Amino acid sequence: EDQVTQSPEALRLQEGESSSLNCSYTVSGLRGLFWYRQDPGKGPEFLFTLYSAGEEKEKERLKATLTKKESFLHITAPKPEDSATYLCAVQAPGSARQLTFGSGTQLTVLP
Amino acid sequence: SAVISQKPSRDICQRGTSLTIQCQVDSQVTMMFWYRQQPGQSLTLIATANQGSEATYESGFVIDKFPISRPNLTFSTLTVSNMSPEDSSIYLCSVGGTSGSNYEQYFGPGTRLTVT
Repeated sequence: EDQVTQSPEALRLQEGESSSLNCSYTVSGLRGLFWYRQDPGKGPEFLFTLYSAGEEKEKERLKATLTKKESFLHITAPKPEDSATYLCAVQAPGSARQLTFGSGTQLTVLP
Repeated sequence: SAVISQKPSRDICQRGTSLTIQCQVDSQVTMMFWYRQQPGQSLTLIATANQGSEATYESGFVIDKFPISRPNLTFSTLTVSNMSPEDSSIYLCSVGGTSGSNYEQYFGPGTRLTVT
């Protein structure tokens, strides 16, 4: 059974204080690892897909990396508008393509 | 990426009634999914909506409780039947990538359901 564990559950940062969120996964063959941002009362917003170990992707202050066991979402010099819940999900091989989600990290960036 | 809309955006319903949630996509997509997000929890897959055939349900979810329709490649509905307060959740529609090698998934804005 696919499993995704995110840590920490919650993270409070001062504006400009860089940090990383962790996503550990267990899956029988990884098709893709996904990062989403979710604001309260809204649907998840797609950020990145990573497909193989060593792959990195960047978007503004966010950088996602992938190893064979985990992924990191690095946040550089965060701003208050980066406050949200960040969700990690994995997709196993097969035609179904459904995602298995972690429980998320709730990030709060204080001004 | 596809633009996805859901109706209604929120509703308050009485115990024992049913609610049908609509999901509309601005382009044809092969894969459509329905997820549930209970308060303070992450997303759980309910079912995969298959065009032209019955939906494929995940463990713990049954067709009698969550009937799904997928009449074409741009539209799907999820019905929450005989509701109880435990059904209070956000219900999310998602769609898979539009090309064969694109495995990305995009989510609609969600439907916030409160059952009293």
